[in-house]
Amino acid sequence: GENVEQHPSTLSVQEGDSAVIKCTYSDSASNYFPWYKQELGKGPQLIIDIRSNVGEKKDQRIAVTLNKTAKHFSLHITETQPEDSAVYFCAASIAGNQFYFGTGTSLTVIP
Amino acid sequence: DTAVSQTPKYLVTQMGNDKSIKCEQNLGHDTMYWYKQDSKKFLKIMFSYNNKELIINETVPNRFSPKSPDKAHLNLHINSLELGDSAVYFCASSQSRLGEQYFGPGTRLTVT
Repeated sequence: GENVEQHPSTLSVQEGDSAVIKCTYSDSASNYFPWYKQELGKGPQLIIDIRSNVGEKKDQRIAVTLNKTAKHFSLHITETQPEDSAVYFCAASIAGNQFYFGTGTSLTVIP
Repeated sequence: DTAVSQTPKYLVTQMGNDKSIKCEQNLGHDTMYWYKQDSKKFLKIMFSYNNKELIINETVPNRFSPKSPDKAHLNLHINSLELGDSAVYFCASSQSRLGEQYFGPGTRLTVT
């Protein structure tokens, strides 16, 4: 099956700085890569996703890049704010079959 | 207004008991899922259920069984609870297997 690795496990940034979280996957057939944000005591919530026919996608302060050749994808958050503090998960899926999640990154934005 | 809801939010029970967690989605989605999140925050899929087709993660013990009375509900029944079953269980749904998954708020299960 698919194996998704996520780094770093924890990340602290100053408010206003950028944060980058990286994931690698093992199965070249994976074609859908969502990112989820999980706030304390809540369920994960989709914040952005990318499909394998696209190299980059942006939504305001959040962007995701995908390198199919290297089998890695990254989440970029610019101008971080304290409310960005949460656990972030990447995931990989083959044609919408089982989602394989990364191990999570705990992001802390220091005011 | 809640899209995916779960009950109960917290469940404390003793080893050997049988318990159920309920999940309901009002989004009209076709596919529902159960995930287990352990103490290290690792999210692992347990089941997906689509149009009466059940896909089971082979690592899930057969003490766990999903039951779907209708398209909007996917309950999780657990027999003979063990200490290692303690975790947060999330229900999720999506329009299809290709779609965005919406997660419920989670049920924190503690087995003593």
